[in-house]
Amino acid sequence: TQLLEQSPQFLSIQEGENLTVYCNSSSVFSSLQWYRQEPGEGPVLLVTVVTGGEVKKLKRLTFQFGDARKDSSLHITAAQPGDTGLYLCAGTGGTSYGKLTFGQGTILTVHP
Amino acid sequence: EAGVTQFPSHSVIEKGQTVTLRCDPISGHDNLYWYRRVMGKEIKFLLHFVKESKQDESGMPNNRFLAERTGGTYSTLKVQPAELEDSGVYFCASSPGLRWGPGYTFGSGTRLTVV
Repeated sequence: TQLLEQSPQFLSIQEGENLTVYCNSSSVFSSLQWYRQEPGEGPVLLVTVVTGGEVKKLKRLTFQFGDARKDSSLHITAAQPGDTGLYLCAGTGGTSYGKLTFGQGTILTVHP
Repeated sequence: EAGVTQFPSHSVIEKGQTVTLRCDPISGHDNLYWYRRVMGKEIKFLLHFVKESKQDESGMPNNRFLAERTGGTYSTLKVQPAELEDSGVYFCASSPGLRWGPGYTFGSGTRLTVV
């Protein structure tokens, strides 16, 4: 069974600060996805990383996939109140392609 | 294009009753997935359809859950009889491709409360 440990579970910071969310596993994933979820809505895909060591940037968000494809991180630079939300990592891998294994999520609150 | 549509958005039923959740995927998406999040836990996979066939149903909790996708279009997930531990948010997602890291689109979910 593949597991993804996501940390921290809660993050409360001031506007302008930087933050990093981590996703770790003992299993290898073929791809790692990051989602953002708003209350009452489903997860919305932010990015997919598929190559070990891959780094992708989406404005102030930087996503990294570990060299061994067992871990990933999401770094937000100069956080803004609009970044507030639930961030989820999810991986695909093993024998069941397409099936996502989710981390528990990180609830981010950015205070003005 | 229309997104993934789920209904009802909320359902409150008594233990022992039957509930049917519906998911309309994005038109043309062959892959349809059901996931569930129970309180305090991570979102967990239930099953995966490719068109009308069940590709993977390893996440289905027990035989009280029945999923169908007749004609390869919309899907239903029936819980019969419902138990208290079935409460949670049920998400449906669809994707067009079959390769790793598909572009998933999730619906807004159905919040099921069993009392």
